[in-house]
Amino acid sequence: NAGVTQTPKFQVLKTGQSMTLQCAQDMNHNSMYWYRQDPGMGLRLIYYSASEGTTDKGEVPNGYNVSRLNKREFSLRLESAAPSQTSVYFCASSEFQPTDTQYFGPGTRLTVL
Amino acid sequence: KNEVEQSPQNLTAQEGEFITINCSYSVGISALHWLQQHPGGGIVSLFMLSSGKKKHGRLIATINIQEKHSSLHITASHPRDSAVYICAVYLYSGGGADGLTFGKGTHLIIQP
Repeated sequence: NAGVTQTPKFQVLKTGQSMTLQCAQDMNHNSMYWYRQDPGMGLRLIYYSASEGTTDKGEVPNGYNVSRLNKREFSLRLESAAPSQTSVYFCASSEFQPTDTQYFGPGTRLTVL
Repeated sequence: KNEVEQSPQNLTAQEGEFITINCSYSVGISALHWLQQHPGGGIVSLFMLSSGKKKHGRLIATINIQEKHSSLHITASHPRDSAVYICAVYLYSGGGADGLTFGKGTHLIIQP
């Protein structure tokens, strides 16, 4: 039972490059989330998915796209990376609601040069 | 203005001390979470509260809905408790962001 897994753990991109961050959970949770964490700031919600096939924008969605491929997987795509997207990205899941206990992945440290 | 304020931002204490970390929020909420972020970066959920008090081992979390305030206490603190403790709330006035709003965290160091 791996919980929430994320790949890759580290990534360095040049400005303008694209990449996809992968997230998967094996707890049969309905809701999944993508957050970013920046120094001196709290975690901020990028996108949220309440169920397979549905996604909603969070606080900071600009520059990102997401796909809820199935109940297990929720990917985050940067189409044209910018230095402002340098951050640590966390994926999380919860059984149903955001108010339920959230389980976090180990994070992806992304640097955009 | 951050709608979730934590204090103190940094706290250094000696092993065995009783620790209190505070969280205040500005609007009505339906739930409050306390999370722990390890030095290696991993985040673990400690408590979810909507009222009253919860206890797990040496950790105690309380919430006062009327005063819009929650506290996390650690009894008999130990160096392994060194971490960043994060308060997060689910706000009624979510502003379209259907998720948690997080405080900036309290960086706790327990010295042997």
